[in-house]
Amino acid sequence: DTAVSQTPKYLVTQMGNDKSIKCEQNLGHDTMYWYKQDSKKFLKIMFSYNNKELIINETVPNRFSPKSPDKAHLNLHINSLELGDSAVYFCASSQDLTGGRGYTFGSGTRLTVV
Amino acid sequence: KQEVTQIPAALSVPEGENLVLNCSFTDSAIYNLQWFRQDPGKGLTSLLLIQSSQREQTSGRLNASLDKSSGRSTLYIAASQPGDSATYLCALSGNTPLVFGKGTRLSVIA
Repeated sequence: DTAVSQTPKYLVTQMGNDKSIKCEQNLGHDTMYWYKQDSKKFLKIMFSYNNKELIINETVPNRFSPKSPDKAHLNLHINSLELGDSAVYFCASSQDLTGGRGYTFGSGTRLTVV
Repeated sequence: KQEVTQIPAALSVPEGENLVLNCSFTDSAIYNLQWFRQDPGKGLTSLLLIQSSQREQTSGRLNASLDKSSGRSTLYIAASQPGDSATYLCALSGNTPLVFGKGTRLSVIA
């Protein structure tokens, strides 16, 4: 069983469209995250949620809206997609906010905006 | 603000060689340090996790050390193999979620 699963794996869409990426974890973790890996392969935190509550929003444009219906799911909705949004988006989870027992990552969603 | 630096950015070695990847960080108030591997076009695979109270962790041919006082960690790979070719990422969690270095791209030549 996949611990952190993301769908879709690939997403190709036109500028201006709205799209969503879904993430689910079956590890029983309290905390979930979205990370963005840019074209230079650098990973940066976007959001973190703890027990469905937003904890961190790292200066991400408000076109990005995360939603956590329960602590096992953290979805990412992106409005009015721009070329610069093209990247790989990774979902991750940790047992708690300290991440003391480590983070588990999904396999990523490669978003291409054309 | 935590900053993580990995040196070298890229490394090419012949098969069988032992090698060391370096990671340095600016804020020693960490909960843990985690080493990941990323293959091209793939996700992140966790290799080793060192809790802040620990000094090292070992898994097979991999050994990671942590020295909080100097702000350094090393990942030692013994008897490297072509299958070890990947990007290795160092990441730390503390008062903020996991902060990553830019990685070391390793190529092991058969």
